Amino acid sequence: AQTVTQSQPEMSVQEAETVTLSCTYDTSENNYYLFWYKQPPSRQMILVIRQEAYKQQNATENRFSVNFQKAAKSFSLKISDSQLGDTAMYFCAFKHADSNYQLIWGAGTKLIIKP
Amino acid sequence: DAGVTQSPTHLIKTRGQQVTLRCSPKSGHDTVSWYQQALGQGPQFIFQYYEEEERQRGNFPDRFSGHQFPNYSSELNVNALLLGDSALYLCASSLRTRGRPQYFGPGTRLLVL
Repeated sequence: AQTVTQSQPEMSVQEAETVTLSCTYDTSENNYYLFWYKQPPSRQMILVIRQEAYKQQNATENRFSVNFQKAAKSFSLKISDSQLGDTAMYFCAFKHADSNYQLIWGAGTKLIIKP
Repeated sequence: DAGVTQSPTHLIKTRGQQVTLRCSPKSGHDTVSWYQQALGQGPQFIFQYYEEEERQRGNFPDRFSGHQFPNYSSELNVNALLLGDSALYLCASSLRTRGRPQYFGPGTRLLVL
């Protein structure tokens, strides 16, 4: 069975710094998708970034980028020029390529951006 | 373009009661998934609906049931409420096409007393 591990329960950085959140996963599948979601105190779960396993190029979305290491089964999220609004819980999630499979979630990392 | 909407935003019930939560998917989406999120934890998958049928189910008892309507909106029903059912209930919609991401609603906070 697939599992997702986020080893950092909580992190804090100063505003404008760069921070990296780690995520590892375990699967025997070759085709899958990986996601980072953000859940601010307002509790709405927001999609941050998505990576397709068959693509070697790392996904980027403005200040957010990932370091996808398929062989190591690692999927870290880098936030550049962090802003106060980045304060949130960040969840890593895995999904098998088959549409019949569900999202598998990590336990989350609480990120605090300090002014 | 309206995103995923859920109602109500908050709900207080007592043990043994029944509750119905509602979700309207993002325009163009055909699949709805429901999650339970306890405080400080990640979401736990309850079930997923597509073409008005339950397609997948997580490790939840039969007290949790659902429905999807022809307009793709969905309901989550919980019978015989327990204190442990207190949680944030999240609805997510997506396209059935493989790899399409799920988009979440704001959630319904359920408190069982």
